[in-house]
Amino acid sequence: AQRVTQPEKLLSVFKGAPVELKCNYSYSGSPELFWYVQYSRQRLQLLLRHISRESIKGFTADLNKGETSFHLKKPFAQEEDSAMYYCALYSGGSNYKLTFGKGTLLTVNP
Amino acid sequence: DGGITQSPKYLFRKEGQNVTLSCEQNLNHDAMYWYRQDPGQGLRLIYYSQIVNDFQKGDIAEGYSVSREKKESFPLTVTSAQKNPTAFYLCASTRGPGNTIYFGEGSWLTVV
Repeated sequence: AQRVTQPEKLLSVFKGAPVELKCNYSYSGSPELFWYVQYSRQRLQLLLRHISRESIKGFTADLNKGETSFHLKKPFAQEEDSAMYYCALYSGGSNYKLTFGKGTLLTVNP
Repeated sequence: DGGITQSPKYLFRKEGQNVTLSCEQNLNHDAMYWYRQDPGQGLRLIYYSQIVNDFQKGDIAEGYSVSREKKESFPLTVTSAQKNPTAFYLCASTRGPGNTIYFGEGSWLTVV
């Protein structure tokens, strides 16, 4: 069974501080990992995916298969980064099942 | 205007009644999903459909039913068998595995 764990429900940092949102997964195959973000009063939207290896809004995430992790990082947090962040896993292949973690609410204080 | 439309946005029902939530997309996506979002629980997968006339149970399918008769539509019925139906329901769609998933605005269901 595939599972996504986000150990922190809440994370609070000050503006300009580094931020890391943790995501661990369990899946025996080769998963595809994503980060989705939900800003206040907006729809859930894709932030980044591991296969594209791109940086969006200053955020990066590296897939570590040895540690089964896909932590989201940003060196200098901004107040507009305050949002709910969800890590998600596709099992890959022809299976379309997409599993989300419970989410981490990030608050960036001025 | 392309996207995913969920209706109604707010719905109240009496206990014991079935209720159907609508989800329509004009993105020509093959795959559609229903999630339930509860505080502290994240998004939990109810059902998903990879193609018309086919769907699979997610992690919390008990008490729910779906149909996929048309590519654009994936309605969710919350039956009286669902023990805790009051929740926020999200519909989503995608072209396929690994592609971006697009979400609707959600439907709030309150059962009294």
